[in-house]
Amino acid sequence: KQEVTQIPAALSVPEGENLVLNCSFTDSAIYNLQWFRQDPGKGLTSLLLIQSSQREQTSGRLNASLDKSSGRSTLYIAASQPGDSATYLCAVVPFTGGGNKLTFGTGTQLKVEL
Amino acid sequence: KAGVTQTPRYLIKTRGQQVTLSCSPISGHRSVSWYQQTPGQGLQFLFEYFSETQRNKGNFPGRFSGRQFSNSRSEMNVSTLELGDSALYLCASSSDSPKNIQYFGAGTRLSVL
Repeated sequence: KQEVTQIPAALSVPEGENLVLNCSFTDSAIYNLQWFRQDPGKGLTSLLLIQSSQREQTSGRLNASLDKSSGRSTLYIAASQPGDSATYLCAVVPFTGGGNKLTFGTGTQLKVEL
Repeated sequence: KAGVTQTPRYLIKTRGQQVTLSCSPISGHRSVSWYQQTPGQGLQFLFEYFSETQRNKGNFPGRFSGRQFSNSRSEMNVSTLELGDSALYLCASSSDSPKNIQYFGAGTRLSVL
């Protein structure tokens, strides 16, 4: 059974700091990995998707890497801003079985302070 | 392009009642998935529909059911509501292309009293 863990559970940083969020998964047979952000009481916003054959994806100040063999992904946020404050979730889709079933991590609650 | 639309946004029900939630996917998307989010269990997969057929199912009791219509809109139903069913219910749609990015709606907040 796939298990996805995110460390740390919560993080508070001053504005402008570069930071790294970690995601680990137990079964490396994944189709892709997706990073989301969730604002309080809201739905999920897709940030980046990495296919199993890729090593990293970049979008603006965000960079996500994937090391399938070690079961790890990191989300790097450069020059953090107060607007980045949210909960960040990673999720994987299994390689077998077809479909789009996402198994989510426990999330990292990020607070960027002025 | 309109995003994923979920209705209603908020619902209050009492134990034993049943409820139906609706999800309209992004135009052209044929895959619709449902998730339950609670503080204790996090985000858990309920089921996925693709072209009106249930393609995947999570580990939830039979009280949770769903369906998809020919226009890809989906509904999920929960019968005999329990207090523990109080949660944010999220719907996601995908084009099912190789990239498979999943787009989520704002969710329906269900409170069971």
